[in-house]
Amino acid sequence: ETGVTQTPRHLVMGMTNKKSLKCEQHLGHNAMYWYKQSAKKPLELMFVYSLEERVENNSVPSRFSPECPNSSHLFLHLHTLQPEDSALYLCASSQDPRQNEKLFFGSGTQLSVL
Amino acid sequence: AQKITQTQPGMFVQEKEAVTLDCTYDTSDPSYGLFWYKQPSSGEMIFLIYQGSYDQQNATEGRYSLNFQKARKSANLVISASQLGDSAMYFCAMREGADSWGKLQFGAGTQVVVTP
Repeated sequence: ETGVTQTPRHLVMGMTNKKSLKCEQHLGHNAMYWYKQSAKKPLELMFVYSLEERVENNSVPSRFSPECPNSSHLFLHLHTLQPEDSALYLCASSQDPRQNEKLFFGSGTQLSVL
Repeated sequence: AQKITQTQPGMFVQEKEAVTLDCTYDTSDPSYGLFWYKQPSSGEMIFLIYQGSYDQQNATEGRYSLNFQKARKSANLVISASQLGDSAMYFCAMREGADSWGKLQFGAGTQVVVTP
């Protein structure tokens, strides 16, 4: 069983829909992350939360809205997405974001925007 | 500019053989960390091995070892005695600086297929 759980595993949505991705970590970590993995592109960091406070927003469009209600949960709210937003969205956590700690990733949500 | 370069898009390796995956990096920061992750078809990124820029010894973790050549800025992953379960995408990643808020920069990956 992975320490980082993401739901749903697959999501298909229209450009006018509103949906949310959920991530939960069971590792007692203090930091959580959203990464985007597009086809034929390296993984891109989107957001970093440390102790529920957003510490990094990597120039992500406002149609992606993260939420971190507590240190174990992270959401990514989606609205009016574009087809080019179709990708695998990976959540990760680590004990301390400022040290060279390894990240623990979930299995991702495969998002298709029609 | 691309910070992490993986020049091998894909490779085949026979079971029980060793395989080396290339990774070169670009940074002017003296403090950095290098990571290798494995991504099977299930999608999850699995941490394999870590090398810090100040580490004197090459990192090893079971069948994985990292050939760290600092002057050449290369951090190749060596998988010994390949197994069928090693078939996956392999990503090299770098974190620059001591206070980089978990920002890993990833390479494009190498697809490894292990054959019987």
